Amino acid sequence: DAGVIQSPRHEVTEMGQEVTLRCKPISGHDYLFWYRQTMMRGLELLIYFNNNVPIDDSGMPEDRFSAKMPNASFSTLKIQPSEPRDSAVYFCASSLHQQGAHEQYFGPGTRLTVT
Amino acid sequence: RKEVEQDPGPFNVPEGATVAFNCTYSNSASQSFFWYRQDCRKEPKLLMSVYSSGNEDGRFTAQLNRASQYISLLIRDSKLSDSATYLCVVNGGTGFQKLVFGTGTRLLVSP
Repeated sequence: DAGVIQSPRHEVTEMGQEVTLRCKPISGHDYLFWYRQTMMRGLELLIYFNNNVPIDDSGMPEDRFSAKMPNASFSTLKIQPSEPRDSAVYFCASSLHQQGAHEQYFGPGTRLTVT
Repeated sequence: RKEVEQDPGPFNVPEGATVAFNCTYSNSASQSFFWYRQDCRKEPKLLMSVYSSGNEDGRFTAQLNRASQYISLLIRDSKLSDSATYLCVVNGGTGFQKLVFGTGTRLLVSP
C-alpha cells in the first residue's frame, strides 16, 4: 500500500515568493496533519483536518500560512510570502480514527529552504 | 514547561548494551502514548504504543507511570541499526487525535 505522499521533496525559493506544499494521505484515513520540524523547535503541529474540515489551526505561525483540504485525498500548505525563517522540513501525516488507536503515519517530508 | 520533555542525549552505547530512555509529560489528561523513531533526514515512524500495563516488542520494552506522568523505553541487546532519534509522543488530551512530540533522544550504537 502507498504511504503518505508529499511533493515536492525539496524546494528552494527566494524570500517573498509563494510556496505550495502538497500531500496525499493514506487512502481511507480521515485525519490529516501538517507539521514543521526545525533543529531549534523540534516537531510542531501546524494544523489538522478531520474529514477535510480544519479542526485546529492554532499552530499556524501567522497569516502568511494557509492550508486547504479540498477532498479526502489531497491537501496543500501554502506560504505567501515566504521568509528565510520558514526554512524547515514540513511533514504531512494521516491517521484513521479507531477506538484506542491514534497512530499517525508520516510522509517523507518537504525540505524547504528560503534564501 | 514543555508538554513533553526528553533528555536530548546523545546516548553512546556499544553493540549489545542495554539502554533506557525516559520522558515526562505535563498534561494529566493525556490518554495515548507512543514512541516514534526518526532516522537522520527521514520521517518519524511509529516504533510502539505504550500501554498502562507496559508492553514488549522483541528487544523493546515500554512502560507508563501515570501517577508520575513518566514514560520509558528500554532497548536490550542494542544493534547498530538502532542508532536513531527516539521521540516520546503523547496525545494532547483535549483533542485525542492531536499528538505532542518531544524533541527526541539521540542514540548512537557503536561496534
